[in-house]
Amino acid sequence: EFVLTQSPDTLSLSPGERATLSCRASQSVSSNYLAWYQQKAGQAPRLLIYAASRRATGIPDRFSGSGSGTDFTLSISRLEPEDFAVYYCQQYGNSPWTFGQGTKVEIK
Amino acid sequence: QVQLVESGGGVVQPGRSLRLSCAASGFTFSSHTIHWVRQAPGKGLEWVAVISNDGSNKYYADSVKGRFTISRDNSKNTLYLQMDSLRLEDTAVYSCARGVSTTWYSAFEFWGQGTMVTVSS
Repeated sequence: EFVLTQSPDTLSLSPGERATLSCRASQSVSSNYLAWYQQKAGQAPRLLIYAASRRATGIPDRFSGSGSGTDFTLSISRLEPEDFAVYYCQQYGNSPWTFGQGTKVEIK
Repeated sequence: QVQLVESGGGVVQPGRSLRLSCAASGFTFSSHTIHWVRQAPGKGLEWVAVISNDGSNKYYADSVKGRFTISRDNSKNTLYLQMDSLRLEDTAVYSCARGVSTTWYSAFEFWGQGTMVTVSS
């Protein structure tokens, strides 16, 4: 079964800084079907990136995704106050669909 | 606009059953694969089950296989999750989710707000 490992568990940064989140898969992600979600407390997850690098509808261009195979990255170029949240990666190219454990981006 | 609204959650004793519903609107329900995803309090996201647009294909996480049944009624634009033999570890918010596209393998673009299931004696 696919295991997705995100790092770091927590990222402490200031507004305006760049955030780099990592997601490593235990095996190659089929067709680079890797997504990133943002979740704030009490809210449903929000799709940011799919197919490793495609921004979802309405997502600001400060969010970008990259990577292929087993190593993927979500970058946030300049953190806005509303970007402090938990981020999950997900592979959806193989059953069962699996999520990483999450990375919390907190205000330093 | 796309809307997914879950209902049916509550407090139930271990070993008992519960049926969740997800009412969909704003899109052609019968064209889309739909998923159930859960999140235990303070924990991460866990995928639970999926059903194809016509209901002919279903797939479950190992943690719920044999206990949960996913189904849909396209005439009512509604998705269901029948949960039997509930365990303490099934306590979570359960959400339905729809993909970016109509294909089987698609990222989850639209989510409901979820319904809370608490399994407790």
